[in-house]
Amino acid sequence: AQTVTQSQPEMSVQEAETVTLSCTYDTSENNYYLFWYKQPPSRQMILVIRQEAYKQQNATENRFSVNFQKAAKSFSLKISDSQLGDTAMYFCAFMKHEGNKLVFGAGTILRVKS
Amino acid sequence: DVKVTQSSRYLVKRTGEKVFLECVQDMDHENMFWYRQDPGLGLRLIYFSYDVKMKEKGDIPEGYSVSREKKERFSLILESASTNQTSMYLCASSLLRTDTQYFGPGTRLTVL
Repeated sequence: AQTVTQSQPEMSVQEAETVTLSCTYDTSENNYYLFWYKQPPSRQMILVIRQEAYKQQNATENRFSVNFQKAAKSFSLKISDSQLGDTAMYFCAFMKHEGNKLVFGAGTILRVKS
Repeated sequence: DVKVTQSSRYLVKRTGEKVFLECVQDMDHENMFWYRQDPGLGLRLIYFSYDVKMKEKGDIPEGYSVSREKKERFSLILESASTNQTSMYLCASSLLRTDTQYFGPGTRLTVL
């Protein structure tokens, strides 16, 4: 079975600085998908970024980028120029190639301070 | 924009009651999901449905059942609520099996 580990329960960062959230996963699959989701205090979960394992290029979405290291089974999220609105719980998630089932990590609470 | 709505934001029920949680999506998505979210455990999949009247068990189906009579609506049923089912319940939907899942706002269920 796949597992996803987020080793940082809580993190904080100053506004405008850069922060990196860690995620590792365990799988014997070769093709799969990885996701970062954000859950602000209002609770609506939204997608931050998605990566297909067969793509070597790291996904980027504005201030959000990932460092995907397939051999190390690592998928970290970098947030540049942090904003107060980035304060949220961030979840890393894994999906096998055949789809549907998402496996989530425990989450990291990120607090952006002014 | 995809919209996934859930019938209640907060719900308080008594042990032994039958509980229905409703989820509706407005984007004609094929797949719908029910997760529960607990501190330190992240989200865990309870059930999902890939078509009307079709369902598959997720990782923690015990104590739950589901119903999908119409494509846009997916219900989670707690046949006899217990205190260990106190949790946040999140519904999600996706068009294709490998597509991004879109989440509803969640229902905070408390079983007394």
